[in-house]
Amino acid sequence: DAMVIQNPRYQVTQFGKPVTLSCSQTLNHNVMYWYQQKSSQAPKLLFHYYDKDFNNEADTPDNFQSRRPNTSFCFLDIRSPGLGDAAMYLCATSKAGYNQPQHFGDGTRLSIL
Amino acid sequence: DQQVKQNSPSLSVQEGRISILNCDYTNSMFDYFLWYKKYPAEGPTFLISISSIKDKNEDGRFTVFLNKSAKHLSLHIVPSQPGDSAVYFCAASDAGGTSYGKLTFGQGTILTVHP
Repeated sequence: DAMVIQNPRYQVTQFGKPVTLSCSQTLNHNVMYWYQQKSSQAPKLLFHYYDKDFNNEADTPDNFQSRRPNTSFCFLDIRSPGLGDAAMYLCATSKAGYNQPQHFGDGTRLSIL
Repeated sequence: DQQVKQNSPSLSVQEGRISILNCDYTNSMFDYFLWYKKYPAEGPTFLISISSIKDKNEDGRFTVFLNKSAKHLSLHIVPSQPGDSAVYFCAASDAGGTSYGKLTFGQGTILTVHP
């Protein structure tokens, strides 16, 4: 029944060791988003895909990359995680159009040792 | 520069009473507003939205009010139930000539409904 699925739910990695977070959707939505949420803060958009078109937010660090091999899947790659990258990472999807609600997965909690 | 603000970090309400959650925004280009509910260890769940051409939208126990001149919106939950206890996020988006909706979120308000 889950429509936006994120794996894993919890990820622990070492400082500087690359990590990949995964998101899949069964909604067939055009747009997929990645957000970072730190404790007690608002979710912050990192980037989004409109179909295969990648759109980076201006203040997203270069350390963060994304791939969308097909409509259903989207990956977040963190090339060299620092301690400041420990956060909840949320994937969301929506239909095209600015007035479409976004549907979120349950997130991946990333910890950096 | 926080464009969407939820000034109350928490709200406590008795079961059966009304819960009112508030949200202020500064960007006059925002024209679509949403409320999300988030339980611990889950992602945000879409609750209700309102377009800037309206001042009220109702869905069951949930009503969102928009006051464009004051740049203020509120979510009313009547009657409140213990299962409504969660973090509530206000979010806003503008068309901005794009074909997607970039959401700007507030920091959230923790609602606790006591039996």
